[in-house]
Amino acid sequence: QQPVQSPQAVILREGEDAVINCSSSKALYSVHWYRQKHGEAPVFLMILLKGGEQKGHEKISASFNEKKQQSSLYLTASQLSYSGTYFCGTETNTGNQFYFGTGTSLTVIP
Amino acid sequence: KAGVTQTPRYLIKTRGQQVTLSCSPISGHRSVSWYQQTPGQGLQFLFEYFSETQRNKGNFPGRFSGRQFSNSRSEMNVSTLELGDSALYLCASSLRGDNNSPLHFGNGTRLTVT
Repeated sequence: QQPVQSPQAVILREGEDAVINCSSSKALYSVHWYRQKHGEAPVFLMILLKGGEQKGHEKISASFNEKKQQSSLYLTASQLSYSGTYFCGTETNTGNQFYFGTGTSLTVIP
Repeated sequence: KAGVTQTPRYLIKTRGQQVTLSCSPISGHRSVSWYQQTPGQGLQFLFEYFSETQRNKGNFPGRFSGRQFSNSRSEMNVSTLELGDSALYLCASSLRGDNNSPLHFGNGTRLTVT
């Protein structure tokens, strides 16, 4: 039930854009996105609920296509501070049981 | 508001021993969940507690157990430790424990089994 994230790793120059995808084999109630910097705890970015709603957070936004059981995270005009590992967490029921993807390592270089 | 606190930060144990990890959630948060993080497997769900009841459990052997107290603090216990149990154990709390409540993670307990 672990969602599949792609790509596994990406290197960007400051100002470039990136897309991280998260796919599940099961129907989803919600998708959460988190970022974890090395040696730190994962930090919440955003939640997407059923309905295909797109959400935004600064220059980071995400979409949720429940028919395709996919979510995508969009990072525009990347900054050095965006570096870290991004995880999607998916819920296949309403009980707060998350399955996290294996993560996407994103490195932004000057 | 204080964040999620996990103790201890580091533990070194020997195969066969048991270990107890502690998690204090953010004040007012009723849901506490536990995750095992390893380089190869990523974040693996262990279990989730809400109002002292285990609501969900991941695919881990019975050696992994947990509980939640009336003040929402939670403990996780691993018995008969194996080398493969070496990992970062993360605890996360959420306000309502529903799918619209963000998870707030602690800094984790790094367990090394030798």
